This record gives sequence, structure tokens and C-alpha cells, in this order.
Amino acid sequence: EAQVTQNPRYLITVTGKKLTVTCSQNMNHEYMSWYRQDPGLGLRQIYYSMNVEVTDKGDVPEGYKVSRKEKRNFPLILESPSPNQTSLYFCASSLDRGPYNSPLHFGNGTRLTVT
Amino acid sequence: GEDVEQSLFLSVREGDSSVINCTYTDSSSTYLYWYKQEPGAGLQLLTYIFSNMDMKQDQRLTVLLNKKDKHLSLRIADTQTGDSAIYFCAERISGTYKYIFGTGTRLKVLA
Repeated sequence: EAQVTQNPRYLITVTGKKLTVTCSQNMNHEYMSWYRQDPGLGLRQIYYSMNVEVTDKGDVPEGYKVSRKEKRNFPLILESPSPNQTSLYFCASSLDRGPYNSPLHFGNGTRLTVT
Repeated sequence: GEDVEQSLFLSVREGDSSVINCTYTDSSSTYLYWYKQEPGAGLQLLTYIFSNMDMKQDQRLTVLLNKKDKHLSLRIADTQTGDSAIYFCAERISGTYKYIFGTGTRLKVLA
């Protein structure tokens, strides 16, 4: 089944303790991206990657890191989490088709709480 | 900067039509999308429209695009309780891989 898989689904941690949220897709998509969803703010893009070893900042990259060593994986790293990073996180992927339609496929989300 | 706006809530009775509205700012957007988010799940693509179209119909869903006013709407005919969800409007910024999402409209369908 074609899908985007995120782990874990739920995570509670303390301020300053490094964590990684994994994301994997089995559709051979070039493009992958991370979003956070907060009430009243919709989805905001954190980082995106257009292919292996190619990443770029989205609208809210501060406090996050990403890597793209393999096409299928795009982990989100919080080196020193803070309470304002408590949020619902989504990973998404799509084919890179330039101007042509390539809608995003989303994972089921990771709910992160930082105390 | 780019922005996409939606009303936060909509409540309709089962069997009625629902209309969810969205306004966007980037006039060069090539594609506009509607996504549905059910509780505890990610966003699922419902439908999309290319910017040179005015209307697209897909079973119970009708998308209307007014490029002049930068207004997008999603009409759900014969709304069912299973349509209760959050609906997001999104635009893809022309020439980029950047997607801008609205705040989402929470649709509640009353039996």
C-alpha cells in the first residue's frame, strides 16, 4: 500500500532532550516536507527536500533540523526541544513534476508534547 | 506575503449542501487544492483545480474558482455525517515547491 509513515504517533518529552521523528514513504517520491499544525494557524511548513541531500527551509525552521540521506526517509530532528514546539507534526511527500499537478500525500501525524 | 484564509467553522444539517470558502493572495498559483482531515488522521486530498479552470465537479463535490477575486469554494452536495471533518484549502506557489495552507474549516454535520 502506498503510504507515508511517521513514528512515533505520540511523544511526550522534556525541555532540552533531543528527539527525532521519523518519516518514510514507499512511493519513490522526490519531494518530502514537514509541517506543523497549530490551532488557528493551519499548517506551516518547517523544512522541505526536493531530493537526496537537497533540503531547504520553510516558513518556521527555527529549532528544527532535517536530513535526506536516502530518498525514502526524511527525519525531523529537534536538538533541544522547547515547550513552544508542542504541536501536531505532519510529514508529506509528492512526485516532483515541475509545474504539473503533484499533490501532497500526508502521514497520519505525530503529536508532540514538550514539558 | 502569501496567505490563504478560511472561516473556522461551518455547521449544516444532514442532506443539505455545504459551501466552504477560501481566499488566497498569490495570483500566479497554478494549482489549488482541497484536503480533508478526519480526527486523528493526516490530510487526504479531496480534489484540486488548475488555475485556468472555473469549475470542477467530482461526484458530490463542486469546486468553483474566481481568479479575479482570488476566491475558491468547495460545495458538498447532500452532506452526510461522515463529511464532518476539517477542510483545508491550499495553493501551490507558481514556480516553487511551496504550498500555503489555510487555517482549515471545521465542518459539523447535524443529524
